[in-house]
Amino acid sequence: EAGVAQSPRYKIIEKRQSVAFWCNPISGHATLYWYQQILGQGPKLLIQFQNNGVVDDSQLPKDRFSAERLKGVDSTLKIQPAKLEDSAVYLCASRQGVTGFPTPKETQYFGPGTRLLVL
Amino acid sequence: TQLLEQSPQFLSIQEGENLTVYCNSSSVFSSLQWYRQEPGEGPVLLVTVVTGGEVKKLKRLTFQFGDARKDSSLHITAAQTGDTGLYLCAGGESNTGKLIFGQGTTLQVKP
Repeated sequence: EAGVAQSPRYKIIEKRQSVAFWCNPISGHATLYWYQQILGQGPKLLIQFQNNGVVDDSQLPKDRFSAERLKGVDSTLKIQPAKLEDSAVYLCASRQGVTGFPTPKETQYFGPGTRLLVL
Repeated sequence: TQLLEQSPQFLSIQEGENLTVYCNSSSVFSSLQWYRQEPGEGPVLLVTVVTGGEVKKLKRLTFQFGDARKDSSLHITAAQTGDTGLYLCAGGESNTGKLIFGQGTTLQVKP
């Protein structure tokens, strides 16, 4: 079974530029997450989708970040304009279920992440 | 806001030593997960504990969920260099499917 795919793996941009990340979740997984992981910290949830609807975007800086999940499959996360403090790893994760916390039978699978450096 | 605090943040030990990592919160979680993350990769799930007082073993790793479901620990016996990595605990919110992560413990096991 293929895992969660993300691209690009690395991106270097200058501040005030825009950037987009792409995520392809595991086939059939209804729930998709975007996390931001700053060096030395744990992942922080930015946005959670169930199918193509947003469930939680309370920690998404909506003045510069946007995300969409077309047709309930692939997802893109965009930053415009980028700031220095956006330098981080952006992780995408997916899981099969749609409601409640994953039981031991459900797992959140993470992609390898996109490393963003804003200069 | 629910928070999870991990300690220690950094740990450097010799191969063969034992270690324990702690994950504490003032909030109750429906379950607690432990992940291991290697450089350049996403976190990989090690275990999920759901019952207060639950203990799970995975080879040399022992995971425990506190009786009140507010804290957890990860104990590694006879650490190996392959155990090197970032260990993350994450608490689950039962009604939202949301995970709250701790800040992680970076473990370095030296040969």
